[in-house]
Amino acid sequence: QKEVEQNSGPLSVPEGAIASLNCTYSDRVSQSFFWYRQYSGKSPELIMSIYSNGDKEDGRFTAQLNKASQYVSLLIRDSQPSDSATYLCAVRPMDSSYKLIFGSGTRLLVRP
Amino acid sequence: EAGVTQFPSHSVIEKGQTVTLRCDPISGHDNLYWYRRVMGKEIKFLLHFVKESKQDESGMPNNRFLAERTGGTYSTLKVQPAELEDSGVYFCASSQGSVYEQYFGPGTRLTVT
Repeated sequence: QKEVEQNSGPLSVPEGAIASLNCTYSDRVSQSFFWYRQYSGKSPELIMSIYSNGDKEDGRFTAQLNKASQYVSLLIRDSQPSDSATYLCAVRPMDSSYKLIFGSGTRLLVRP
Repeated sequence: EAGVTQFPSHSVIEKGQTVTLRCDPISGHDNLYWYRRVMGKEIKFLLHFVKESKQDESGMPNNRFLAERTGGTYSTLKVQPAELEDSGVYFCASSQGSVYEQYFGPGTRLTVT
């Protein structure tokens, strides 16, 4: 079992729709959770971080964390073609470590 | 504010040669990280510096890899001698103090032939 799992996609949604991206993790003591967006050939760009159970909103993005079920999700409202990219879920596994464990990413395609 | 920079952007070397990658973190960021992504795999952690000290090098694959951060500013990652399986994209990231959000550089694509 991978430590951080994501559906590779592609997830295809029409422009203006809500895109829902999911991530599960195996280590119950994981502390911090991050979503990165990566365009082809570019560096991962941090778009959201979440540390507590519940929802965290930033513009069109909402991150949701459920530690009991060990999943974190990212909702993108009013999806735009420019949101088409690979979205990487990253988890900081424990309190004593700063390293991030990445999932393989979900490719999102927003159709005009 | 300038972001994380890495040099070179691409490097093609032959098996057995040596390559040195450089990373300049965001100014003022004490934490510097190296990650790499090999073909078809996830981004994997290599090591973490706090200033000039290695805080966590649990991800370094073997002793052919040597990372340094003299003076606590830029860092270098040397691969000597390079093997075919070292090919991939090497990312550097940095973060401030006790902040966990990490900001990534553009990466160095290393090809070992």
